[in-house]
Amino acid sequence: QVQLVESGGGVVQPGRSLRLSCAASGFSFSSYGMHWVRQAPGKGLEWVAVVSYDGSNKYFEDSVKGRFAISRDNSRNTLYLQLNNLRVEDTAVYYCAKDTRGLVTAFDVWGQGTMVTVSS
Amino acid sequence: QSALTQPASVSGSPGQSITISCTGTTSDVGGYNYVSWYQQHPGKAPKLMIYDVANRPSGVSTRFSGSKSGNTASLTISGLQAEDEADYYCSSYTDSNTSVFGTGTKVTVL
Repeated sequence: QVQLVESGGGVVQPGRSLRLSCAASGFSFSSYGMHWVRQAPGKGLEWVAVVSYDGSNKYFEDSVKGRFAISRDNSRNTLYLQLNNLRVEDTAVYYCAKDTRGLVTAFDVWGQGTMVTVSS
Repeated sequence: QSALTQPASVSGSPGQSITISCTGTTSDVGGYNYVSWYQQHPGKAPKLMIYDVANRPSGVSTRFSGSKSGNTASLTISGLQAEDEADYYCSSYTDSNTSVFGTGTKVTVL
């Protein structure tokens, strides 16, 4: 079945780095844009970044520009999010999500999320 | 990019209809027909309920419908059921090739 499974979350100190992964299965991964969306504890959803189907186009939410990097390996059906210079306010559950058909249309498949806690 | 504006909470009795609004600008909701809605139960991942303003994915109940007028999109839930109690978020494409979510609405079934 269509599935996304995130991994790589954990507890990290401010200023440090972390890399999240999202393993896709059950669909043609290389045909769709892929997103990262996060949700701080008790807060709403916040879109973070998107990468196009072939990795050539990438866009970011303003607060993570220059600190986060999104990439994909279509040969491994895997999406990545590199989180650098982490801040306390980056603490959240990070979800990967598949775009419905284009680059930024809607998110029709979601993973279960991976928790990132930034704390000293 | 500022979050789209949604009411913090909406409530209704079983069987009633409720509507959740989602207000943006001409740079997002008003400028494109890429508005979507998500249902999220506590501790769970969001679920797509409506895409492209008014389209329902396969498997989503016909009790859920979407519309848009100007800079405001709306989600209507008819025949409210206990299982509809959840948080709901709108989302829109923006003219920066990004996406923005709404502030979220807690739906309570009385």
